[in-house]
Amino acid sequence: AAGVIQSPRHLIKEKRETATLKCYPISRHDTVYWYQQGPGQDPQFLISFYEKMQSDKGSIPDRFSAQQFSDYHSELNMSSLELGDSALYFCASSLGTGFEAFFGQGTRLTVV
Amino acid sequence: QKEVEQNSGPLSVPEGAIASLNCTYSDRGSQSFFWYRQYSGKSPELIMSIYSNGDKEDGRFTAQLNKASQYVSLLIRDSQPSDSATYLCAVNTGFQKLVFGTGTRLLVSP
Repeated sequence: AAGVIQSPRHLIKEKRETATLKCYPISRHDTVYWYQQGPGQDPQFLISFYEKMQSDKGSIPDRFSAQQFSDYHSELNMSSLELGDSALYFCASSLGTGFEAFFGQGTRLTVV
Repeated sequence: QKEVEQNSGPLSVPEGAIASLNCTYSDRGSQSFFWYRQYSGKSPELIMSIYSNGDKEDGRFTAQLNKASQYVSLLIRDSQPSDSATYLCAVNTGFQKLVFGTGTRLLVSP
């Protein structure tokens, strides 16, 4: 079965530009999580969605927004990019609340 | 205090030994607990989940949960050099929030 798909895998943007990261969850999974991981850091929870509704929010900057669409895929929109936004961004999906979450391969964002 | 705490390590064990990784969490209402393995630059890979007190075994891995002590552990038997990675403890602390510890780096020497 296909796993969580993230695109693009790599992205280079300049400061103050905008980036959109996409996440396609495992088939039938209704919950999506987004994480940011800097070098040598643990994954930091950004935001989650359950059944297309935002369900919890972590340390997500106001410059970032996200949504989950009718087909359950999710997009993370990042505006006014800063050098400090350079990181690995992971998406994970699960079937229902509190159950096993599986991660995509991640998007490596580099802001120059 | 972080919601999920782990020793950062590194934890060094010889090949064939048992590696013991520990994790504590602060939210007493947490219900779901997971161990992930992460190689450098790669995504976290789920290796164990545990939901009730006691032990859960899967191959060389055993997860242990003690909700009264708010403690989760992972034992890796017959450690192999390929087990060298960062092990992340993750706790579902609420409705849809999965919080990670800082991870323990495990080094298995041949």
